Amino acid sequence: GDSVTQMEGPVTLSEEAFLTINCTYTATGYPSLFWYVQYPGEGLQLLLKATKADDKGSNKGFEATYRKETTSFHLEKGSVQVSDSAVYFCALSEDAGNNRKLIWGLGTSLAVNP
Amino acid sequence: NAGVTQTPKFRILKIGQSMTLQCAQDMNHNYMYWYRQDPGMGLKLIYYSVGAGITDKGEVPNGYNVSRSTTEDFPLRLELAAPSQTSVYFCASSYEGLYGYTFGSGTRLTVV
Repeated sequence: GDSVTQMEGPVTLSEEAFLTINCTYTATGYPSLFWYVQYPGEGLQLLLKATKADDKGSNKGFEATYRKETTSFHLEKGSVQVSDSAVYFCALSEDAGNNRKLIWGLGTSLAVNP
Repeated sequence: NAGVTQTPKFRILKIGQSMTLQCAQDMNHNYMYWYRQDPGMGLKLIYYSVGAGITDKGEVPNGYNVSRSTTEDFPLRLELAAPSQTSVYFCASSYEGLYGYTFGSGTRLTVV
């Protein structure tokens, strides 16, 4: 079945460092891909998404490109802030445009130190 | 715009008690979901619904029940609470899966 694999955390960075969180997937169809963020004590929020190959999702300085050839959707940010400390989840839908059920990665915890 | 509202935010139950976690959304989303999130773990889907009157099991449905009598509400019922149900529960909704999920702020449940 479809699956999502994220790099294990925790990831600890200093402020203004470059961030990469790796996400790879296996899917039989043409999924949409998502990154969600969960700040401490809160629910998950959609951070960005991409619905087809080569699409780049971006939001709040974060970016991720849908790479079909490497089945990846890595999250990047050029300069992290303390306020970016959170847990980040990669997810895919079963088919493009139909995410009645998302398949979730286990989450990667990010801690940014001042 | 309230989005997805979950109540209560916190609850402590004794073993064998029952309770209902409430979830309401005001975005006219047809799909709704219940997840549980255990410490250090990802999300596990308990039940989901693709519209009023339609529900289906997710990965971990045992010990839970749901109903969907209206588009807006999707309550989760715990019968005979067990310590293994100690978790944080999230409700989410989606419109045809086109724009991702909107999550509630969660209910932290402890069974003692």
